[in-house]
Amino acid sequence: DADVTQTPRNRITKTGKRIMLECSQTKGHDRMYWYRQDPGLGLRLIYYSFDVKDINKGEISDGYSVSRQAQAKFSLSLESAIPNQTALYFCATSDPSGGRAYNEQFFGPGTRLTVL
Amino acid sequence: AQSVAQPEDQVNVAEGNPLTVKCTYSVSGNPYLFWYVQYPNRGLQFLLKYITGDNLVKGSYGFEAEFNKSQTSFHLKKPSALVSDSALYFCAVRDRGSTLGRLYFGRGTQLTVWP
Repeated sequence: DADVTQTPRNRITKTGKRIMLECSQTKGHDRMYWYRQDPGLGLRLIYYSFDVKDINKGEISDGYSVSRQAQAKFSLSLESAIPNQTALYFCATSDPSGGRAYNEQFFGPGTRLTVL
Repeated sequence: AQSVAQPEDQVNVAEGNPLTVKCTYSVSGNPYLFWYVQYPNRGLQFLLKYITGDNLVKGSYGFEAEFNKSQTSFHLKKPSALVSDSALYFCAVRDRGSTLGRLYFGRGTQLTVWP
């Protein structure tokens, strides 16, 4: 979905390096999410944010941190990358306005991260 | 605890045949249910969702899904498969009683449609 963009699309880094993945959206959605996808494991939630001042840990937040710089931007950082953080990372947004808490999430194209 | 099971890692069907991708769920309350599709090198795309009402939900690209509360299932179906339907399919659930709004995803099912 072109309304949710992620940079970089591919990144190779070394163990111990700090790396930041960025997500931007033009949908005007308040809620943003970071997931990682591993083969055979589906998507697992790392962090989520309901607005600029609200950030919550997901099921696998250890080793990650996030920053919600603005409504439209949500960055994921790996402070000291390790090989088992090699994965495909997705950003997503949703809009629960109007009480439509069942609204679907919209995903970015993903960032493929390799940690050597 | 919320969870989603997709019992088949792979589903293979011939073009023109009906297809079914299975999903069962577990939530503490009543669910919102979703299906997403992922094509190679792409993000997840929304296909359809069940909120309430009619148990048969119709979505994009001719897909439909049937909600069965007694069996806690939400199987994805299509009457006639196309080669272009080949992709990775994810079922997801959200407890409608939760204020957190997070989705729980299954592990995914790789659908391959043979010409």
